Amino acid sequence: KQEVTQIPAALSVPEGENLVLNCSFTDSAIYNLQWFRQDPGKGLTSLLLIQSSQREQTSGRLNASLDKSSGRSTLYIAASQPGDSATYLCAVSTGANSKLTFGKGITLSVRP
Amino acid sequence: EAGVVQSPRYKIIEKKQPVAFWCNPISGHNTLYWYRQNLGQGPELLIRYENEEAVDDSQLPKDRFSAERLKGVDSTLKIQPAELGDSAVYLCASSLGQSDRGDEQFFGPGTRLTVL
Repeated sequence: KQEVTQIPAALSVPEGENLVLNCSFTDSAIYNLQWFRQDPGKGLTSLLLIQSSQREQTSGRLNASLDKSSGRSTLYIAASQPGDSATYLCAVSTGANSKLTFGKGITLSVRP
Repeated sequence: EAGVVQSPRYKIIEKKQPVAFWCNPISGHNTLYWYRQNLGQGPELLIRYENEEAVDDSQLPKDRFSAERLKGVDSTLKIQPAELGDSAVYLCASSLGQSDRGDEQFFGPGTRLTVL
């Protein structure tokens, strides 16, 4: 059974800092990995999708990397801003029905 | 382009009452998903549709939960009767459904259900 872990559960940083959010998964036989952002009381916003054959994806100040063999992904946020404060979830797609398995998320707070 | 639409956004009911949630996916998306998200947890898949066919409902508590996707577009998830433990956010997502290895999924705002 696929398990996804995100540690720590919460993170607080000052504005302007570059930061890395970690995600690990137990079964390396994944199809893709997706990073989401969730604001309080809202749904999930897709940030980046990395296919299993890819090593990284970039969008603006965000860069996600994937090391499938070691079961790890990182989301790098450059020059963090208070507006980046949210919960960040990673999810991996595995199995015959490409089921998404989510981590519990990391709640990020960027202090002005 | 309109995103995934869900209604209602909030619902408060007493236990043993029925409740229904509605979802309209992004136009052209063949695959539709219903997830449940408990507080402090990631979403968990309840059911997945490919067009109008439910291809994965293994996590759906079938004694009280039912879903349908008539005509392969919008979908309804129903709980009858609701229990206290059903309090959660119910999220609908959709994807193009062009890859058997998993497409990018797009989520709606969710319905927050409180069962008293």
